Amino acid sequence: DSGVTQTPKHLITATGQRVTLRCSPRSGDLSVYWYQQSLDQGLQFLIQYYNGEERAKGNILERFSAQQFPDLHSELNLSSLELGDSALYFCASSVGGELFFGEGSRLTVL
Amino acid sequence: AQKITQTQPGMFVQEKEAVTLDCTYDTSDPSYGLFWYKQPSSGEMIFLIYQGSYDQQNATEGRYSLNFQKARKSANLVISASQLGDSAMYFCAMRAILYGGSQGNLIFGKGTKLSVKP
Repeated sequence: DSGVTQTPKHLITATGQRVTLRCSPRSGDLSVYWYQQSLDQGLQFLIQYYNGEERAKGNILERFSAQQFPDLHSELNLSSLELGDSALYFCASSVGGELFFGEGSRLTVL
Repeated sequence: AQKITQTQPGMFVQEKEAVTLDCTYDTSDPSYGLFWYKQPSSGEMIFLIYQGSYDQQNATEGRYSLNFQKARKSANLVISASQLGDSAMYFCAMRAILYGGSQGNLIFGKGTKLSVKP
């Protein structure tokens, strides 16, 4: 158990819909990272937050947004969903060295 | 720009034998860290081992060791005495260590699927 909690574990929705993925980092970790894993793109960095502020942005679509709250949990919002958004979305947290990953949220868009 | 290359899409190894998973990297950052993660079929990402670019000795963690050759920009993972439970995807990753000690983002390779045969 990495200590990073992600909900929901599985989500099935339709094109055009909006979903929110939630992440609780390890106790004490200030950084939260979001990654998308798909078969064709591999593991892609989306966005990083540090202590409530956006720290870095990767290949995140404009339809996607995220935030980190004062209690350090983070949410990734995906809107106007397309079939190609089907993927495994990981949250990870760190306080220094290695990233500790949650079990992921598997999103299926039908 | 940083890049991680894993040239072996799939590997087979006999149980109890050792196996080496290849990883080469490219970066212009003077200081960086190299990581290996394991992803079993259940999907979670499990941290295995870390090597800092200025570490003099190769990292070891139990049956895992990292063969770090800085001049060749390679960071191969060696798994000794393979077990059936080692069957999984293995990802090599890198992140820059920036000025002031803060860390860059973790960049991943495409992964190698390891299958351990009984």
